[in-house]
Amino acid sequence: GNSVTQMEGPVTLSEEAFLTINCTYTATGYPSLFWYVQYPGEGLQLLLKATKADDKGSNKGFEATYRKETTSFHLEKGSVQVSDSAVYFCALISGYSSASKIIFGSGTRLSIRP
Amino acid sequence: KAGVTQTPRYLIKTRGQQVTLSCSPISGHRSVSWYQQTPGQGLQFLFEYFSETQRNKGNFPGRFSGRQFSNSRSEMNVSTLELGDSALYLCASFPGYTSTDTQYFGPGTRLTVL
Repeated sequence: GNSVTQMEGPVTLSEEAFLTINCTYTATGYPSLFWYVQYPGEGLQLLLKATKADDKGSNKGFEATYRKETTSFHLEKGSVQVSDSAVYFCALISGYSSASKIIFGSGTRLSIRP
Repeated sequence: KAGVTQTPRYLIKTRGQQVTLSCSPISGHRSVSWYQQTPGQGLQFLFEYFSETQRNKGNFPGRFSGRQFSNSRSEMNVSTLELGDSALYLCASFPGYTSTDTQYFGPGTRLTVL
């Protein structure tokens, strides 16, 4: 079945450090891939998405490229800020699904030190 | 455009009681899905509705039920509450039926069962 695997957290970085959160997936067909972010006490917010191979999603300085050959969708940011502290979820929706059941990874907690 | 709203935001119940949670999707969105988020299990899919019809259901006991109204608003009900039902319940909406639609999440209802 479909699945998403994220790197385990927590990840702790200093402000202005480079961030990578790894995400790999298993899916039939051609899934759409997403990164969601959850700030403390809030619901999930869509951070970025990519719907086909080699697409790059980007938002708020974050980027992720849909790599079909490595079945990956790693999240990157060149210079993190304290305000980026949150839990990040990688997710997919299978393109062949007749119902848009989204599959989430387990989440990666990111903490940024001033 | 207003986002997804969920009421109530916080709820405290005791074992054996029942609870109803409400979700109002983004205007124009016809699909609503529900998720349970717990520290141990992460985000788990509960069910999904499109035009008042349940399209998909997760692996939860029959105590969990839901419905969608003609205005796309949705409710979920949990009967005979157990301690393990304590969780953040998230609702998401998306425009139509397409499996690659982006889902937009509400802030969640935090349910505590004592």
